[in-house]
Amino acid sequence: GESVGLHLPTLSVQEGDNSIINCAYSNSASDYFIWYKQESGKGPQFIIDIRSNMDKRQGQRVTVLLNKTVKHLSLQIAATQPGDSAVYFCAESEGYSTLTFGKGTMLLVSP
Amino acid sequence: DAMVIQNPRYQVTQFGKPVTLSCSQTLNHNVMYWYQQKSSQAPKLLFHYYDKDFNNEADTPDNFQSRRPNTSFCFLDIRSPGLGDAAMYLCATSRAGNTDTQYFGPGTRLTVL
Repeated sequence: GESVGLHLPTLSVQEGDNSIINCAYSNSASDYFIWYKQESGKGPQFIIDIRSNMDKRQGQRVTVLLNKTVKHLSLQIAATQPGDSAVYFCAESEGYSTLTFGKGTMLLVSP
Repeated sequence: DAMVIQNPRYQVTQFGKPVTLSCSQTLNHNVMYWYQQKSSQAPKLLFHYYDKDFNNEADTPDNFQSRRPNTSFCFLDIRSPGLGDAAMYLCATSRAGNTDTQYFGPGTRLTVL
């Protein structure tokens, strides 16, 4: 299938900063997008998702932005905390197809 | 409370010795998935069950098999593990299909000696 990729393999921020993790996708027909957080030795944990009929969705301290024109997805984390340190994966699907995961970005938060 | 449970969390097997990993869920979800994840890589889908309907990914090796005896349980059987099969194996569930959120278990770390 088509690929989903990330621009930055590692992002280092200071505690309290806002973090932005980016994801580019190549399938223009993708209609469902999701962000997962994976801590070392654990399974991916659902953060937030968005469907293609929206361009922004907010959760607690997190916001997902979808730009279908340029096929770009981003995850914004407000007031980043050390507990946010993890690998973040974006994933996408089209219709009833299974999820295609991006390569992952490691977020490192320094106290 | 854990919703997707995987046992064991760590499994060591010998080269060529069959091994079974298990997954159970308390969500009553129709769909269960098995992923393989190697170090610093994204999860790779092996197969999934929509209820009892088995769906194999085209590039999943024949060495990997799965069973789903009921809604709650799903097993991953590796018939003859090779060194390249050492990985984290993740089970996930979703309520009704691929457009629904997938919830992952903690994974089983498989080591092949």
